Amino acid sequence: SQQGEEDPQALSIQEGENATMNCSYKTSINNLQWYRQNSGRGLVHLILIRSNEREKHSGRLRVTLDTSKKSSSLLITASRAADTASYFCATAGIRSGAGSYQLTFGKGTKLSVIP
Amino acid sequence: DGGITQSPKYLFRKEGQNVTLSCEQNLNHDAMYWYRQDPGQGLRLIYYSQIVNDFQKGDIAEGYSVSREKKESFPLTVTSAQKNPTAFYLCASSISQGAGQPQHFGDGTRLSIL
Repeated sequence: SQQGEEDPQALSIQEGENATMNCSYKTSINNLQWYRQNSGRGLVHLILIRSNEREKHSGRLRVTLDTSKKSSSLLITASRAADTASYFCATAGIRSGAGSYQLTFGKGTKLSVIP
Repeated sequence: DGGITQSPKYLFRKEGQNVTLSCEQNLNHDAMYWYRQDPGQGLRLIYYSQIVNDFQKGDIAEGYSVSREKKESFPLTVTSAQKNPTAFYLCASSISQGAGQPQHFGDGTRLSIL
């Protein structure tokens, strides 16, 4: 399976600190995406990084991708209480036997930002 | 505003009963997806559809069925053959399935057994 695995499973930080979450995967990918899920809600797409990119920024988010190590990290700077949510990485690769692309989601990192 | 609407938000199923979860999108997206999420787990793909009148099984299709008669709609039926249906069900869509496009999600339906 090319499922991404996030690390840590849970993270608790003070407001204003930076939060770093990691994702590892097993097979080659076309791109890697990060999503946020607030409790009881659907997922919201945050950022996409392609396999030929090494770093990408969006507001307070910074994503890195190391294809040689098959890993990615998501950094949230100057965290706020509103950032409290679960964060999932999703790898986009060819679905075996189907010839179409599939997103495969990890189990997520649960981030708590304490005011 | 464009988006994905899932209904109902909560659903209860009796033994031996089939139930249908609704998913409607007004984003003009070609591809639609159904995922199942269990507590502390990631999303697992049940079915996906790349275009109207076409759909494919995902990783955990047994006990589920879908239809795609309209571009906007992708209902999921949880049949009595699904022995452990209690979960949070998420519907998503993307412009196409090509090259792993970002997916837009509804707010889910929580299904429980009575």
